[in-house]
Amino acid sequence: QQQVKQSPQSLIVQKGGISIINCAYENTAFDYFPWYQQFPGKGPALLIAIRPDVSEKKEGRFTISFNKSAKQFSLHIMDSQPGDSATYFCAASMRKGAQKLVFGQGTRLTINP
Amino acid sequence: GAVVSQHPSWVICKSGTSVKIECRSLDFQATTMFWYRQFPKQSLMLMATSNEGSKATYEQGVEKDKFLINHASLTLSTLTVTSAHPEDSSFYICSARRSGALATEAFFGQGTRLTVV
Repeated sequence: QQQVKQSPQSLIVQKGGISIINCAYENTAFDYFPWYQQFPGKGPALLIAIRPDVSEKKEGRFTISFNKSAKQFSLHIMDSQPGDSATYFCAASMRKGAQKLVFGQGTRLTINP
Repeated sequence: GAVVSQHPSWVICKSGTSVKIECRSLDFQATTMFWYRQFPKQSLMLMATSNEGSKATYEQGVEKDKFLINHASLTLSTLTVTSAHPEDSSFYICSARRSGALATEAFFGQGTRLTVV
C-alpha cells in the first residue's frame, strides 16, 4: 500500500515534443505529490509538486495532472528540450507525521535533438 | 530554494574501514533529515529518518549498527558506514525538511559516491 508505481521506465521524445510520465498510488492518506529531476551523479531536485485539492498545476513548461479518484498523477513536459534529458521520479508522502517520501521507480527521459 | 550540502561528494575506502558522510542544511533548520541509498539505474531507497536530539528510525532491513546516524544539531546529520564492504558501494543521498508544522518540501544534497575496495 506504500508503493508508488511509475511508467514508463524509459522514454525517448523528439525535441519540441511533449513528454508524459505517469504514476499511480494506493495509499489514500498520501496528500503531497512531488516530481524530482535527477542528473547522473547528482541528487534529486524538486521540479514541481501538487496537493490533492487541485487537479492541475503548471510551472513553466512543467504541468502536473492529478486524478484523485483514480489515484493517479502525471508529469507533462511541454516543448521538451535536450537539457531535459534526465531521470524523473514521482513521489508521495503525508504532510503530517514522519513525512517520508515514497518514490516511484524512475523514468529515464531522453530528448533527441 | 534552500540548500543542503553533502560532504564528501565521493570517497574510496578500503574494506573494513569506516566512512563518515555529512549532511548540512545551510540556510534553514531541519528537525528531520533522511538518508537514502541509490544503486545504479534504480530508485532511491530510504534507509533511515534522522531526528535531531533523538535516535534515528531505521527502515526494515537496514542494519542500524552498520549505518550509524547522528543528528546532533538542527543543521547537521552524519551517516557513518562502519566496517565497510564492497557491497556497501553505492550512492548515498540525504534530504532535509524545514522545521515547522506541515513543512512539505524536501531538499536533497548532491549525494556521496562511496566505493569500497
